[in-house]
Amino acid sequence: EAQVTQNPRYLITVTGKKLTVTCSQNMNHEYMSWYRQDPGLGLRQIYYSMNVEVTDKGDVPEGYKVSRKEKRNFPLILESPSPNQTSLYFCASSSGGGSYEQYFGPGTRLTVT
Amino acid sequence: RKEVEQDPGPFNVPEGATVAFNCTYSNSASQSFFWYRQDCRKEPKLLMSVYSSGNEDGRFTAQLNRASQYISLLIRDSKLSDSATYLCVVTKYSSASKIIFGSGTRLSIRP
Repeated sequence: EAQVTQNPRYLITVTGKKLTVTCSQNMNHEYMSWYRQDPGLGLRQIYYSMNVEVTDKGDVPEGYKVSRKEKRNFPLILESPSPNQTSLYFCASSSGGGSYEQYFGPGTRLTVT
Repeated sequence: RKEVEQDPGPFNVPEGATVAFNCTYSNSASQSFFWYRQDCRKEPKLLMSVYSSGNEDGRFTAQLNRASQYISLLIRDSKLSDSATYLCVVTKYSSASKIIFGSGTRLSIRP
């Protein structure tokens, strides 16, 4: 089954404790992206990757890091989480950038206290 | 001003009604346009792409007006299962890989 998986699905952590949210796709997609969704603000793009070892900032990259060492994986790293990073996070992939259908993972609900 | 703006709703309409949403975008050189559907606490899923000539998929019709910089979604003969949030999506011209989502329009269909 073609899918995008994220782990964990739910996470409660404390300020400053480094965490990683994993994202994996099995569709051989070149493009992957991370979004955060907050009430009233919709989905905002954090980082995206056009291919292995190619990443670029979206609209809200501050406080986040990503890496793309393999085509299928695109982890999101919060080196020092803060309460304003409490949000619902989605990973997505597509066969070719923004002009194509995005396939989303199920989401990760993160709470930073 | 937001780059992509939608009426947040909620739109509350009876089953069988026709409902229309608009979405405006600020960058006149935007390239690609989509409507996604998001059910409560779930991931967004593509509803349909929006082409310059307009396109239809069953009860759903999407149109693009580049001159006025808006896209629209029309739902005919609405069903209870159409209740969801509808997200307008625009790809920025400066980078085809930067994707801007509207904040969504909530639709509730009542029996």
